[in-house]
Amino acid sequence: TQLLEQSPQFLSIQEGENLTVYCNSSSVFSSLQWYRQEPGEGPVLLVTVVTGGEVKKLKRLTFQFGDARKDSSLHITAAQPGDTGLYLCAGIKAAGNKLTFGGGTRVLVKP
Amino acid sequence: DSGVTQTPKHLITATGQRVTLRCSPRSGDLSVYWYQQSLDQGLQFLIQYYNGEERAKGNILERFSAQQFPDLHSELNLSSLELGDSALYFCASSVSDTGTQYFGPGTRLLVL
Repeated sequence: TQLLEQSPQFLSIQEGENLTVYCNSSSVFSSLQWYRQEPGEGPVLLVTVVTGGEVKKLKRLTFQFGDARKDSSLHITAAQPGDTGLYLCAGIKAAGNKLTFGGGTRVLVKP
Repeated sequence: DSGVTQTPKHLITATGQRVTLRCSPRSGDLSVYWYQQSLDQGLQFLIQYYNGEERAKGNILERFSAQQFPDLHSELNLSSLELGDSALYFCASSVSDTGTQYFGPGTRLLVL
């Protein structure tokens, strides 16, 4: 059982549509990160959220950390084919720097 | 390019064998992390070293071991390999033992 549950596992949309990926846990994390991974490469950090209720925007990507610091969401507006990839959330507990990853959401944006 | 290098990129071996994966962290980074990514388990933390010392341990099997050398590169040794060890193995590094981690391109291990 994953400590961090991501949903959906797979998302296929048309270019220009919006999408939201969810990351949920029963545990509290001191911070939560979102990564994107492309085939044959390692995960690349997109954002770190630290404060409960925090919202961060990165161009067309909006990240939110839940008030209780147990869940997070990633929203992409007007998705483009370049947004295609595996999106991973990862939590960090108060002690240490070990990343606990969710199962990932594979996003396919069709032109 | 994250600045983290991993060799080899691909490795094919047989059950029962032993392999060594190598990681060179970004220049100036003192901490190295190893992760395993498989289809059924996802991306899982194995072990962390900081300036040559083991700092944290995750779901690392007893058949696996790692070390970080004085020049800060790290090696992950996998022995008595089983089919289920087939996976992508990633190394990441960070400046401190709590800083942002930067991932290497990974080593794809296939055990036949």
